[in-house]
Amino acid sequence: EVQLVQSGAELKKPGESLKISCKGSGYTFTRHWIGWVRQMPGKGLEWMGIIYPGDSDTRYSPSFQGQVTISVDKSITTAYLHWSSLKASDTAMYYCARQVSGGGYDFDYWGQGTLVTVSS
Amino acid sequence: EIVLTQSPATLSLSPGERATLSCRASQSVSSYLAWYQQKPGQAPRLLIYDTSNRATGIPARFSGSGSGTDFTLTISSLEPEDFAVYYCQQRINWPLTFGQGTRLEIK
Repeated sequence: EVQLVQSGAELKKPGESLKISCKGSGYTFTRHWIGWVRQMPGKGLEWMGIIYPGDSDTRYSPSFQGQVTISVDKSITTAYLHWSSLKASDTAMYYCARQVSGGGYDFDYWGQGTLVTVSS
Repeated sequence: EIVLTQSPATLSLSPGERATLSCRASQSVSSYLAWYQQKPGQAPRLLIYDTSNRATGIPARFSGSGSGTDFTLTISSLEPEDFAVYYCQQRINWPLTFGQGTRLEIK
């Protein structure tokens, strides 16, 4: 069974760093892109970026380029989303998702989400 | 960046009725358009990819159509569990983009 399991909710202060995780299982981790999606409170979905675990090829949406870092440790089948200095506006739910089998950038399995709250 | 505009913002219907949701792209996305469903407190769920292909396990009452810049998600007969927010998403160009969503609510 394909599963993406994300790390737990976080409460952080502005300026702090944070890395959240997404562990994949039940499939060949290195053969499917993993994407990260932001959902701010009461708002819609936004693509942040995607990474290919096989070679760590990474693409960022322009709005998130330089704001976050996406990485992967294929030895433990885990993808990461990292902030070096959080802002209050980073408060949101963050989802990871796995690319479908067969090539297109459609995403068929999703993590349960990680709620990040940034508040002083 | 390709902008996807969904309409209506909110659709109020009763169980058993037919739902028609629209998604318009700011430029052609060919057939590379997907639909996702999101219920409160849950992650999105892929319904339709490449305009008209149902994802695994998606009931036949969900169908998609369109091409180029105009796309439609149709739910032929609404079930109580279908009331949710629906997003379209294009994958022809990076960055991938979602529409702003259509909320399907019980009338």
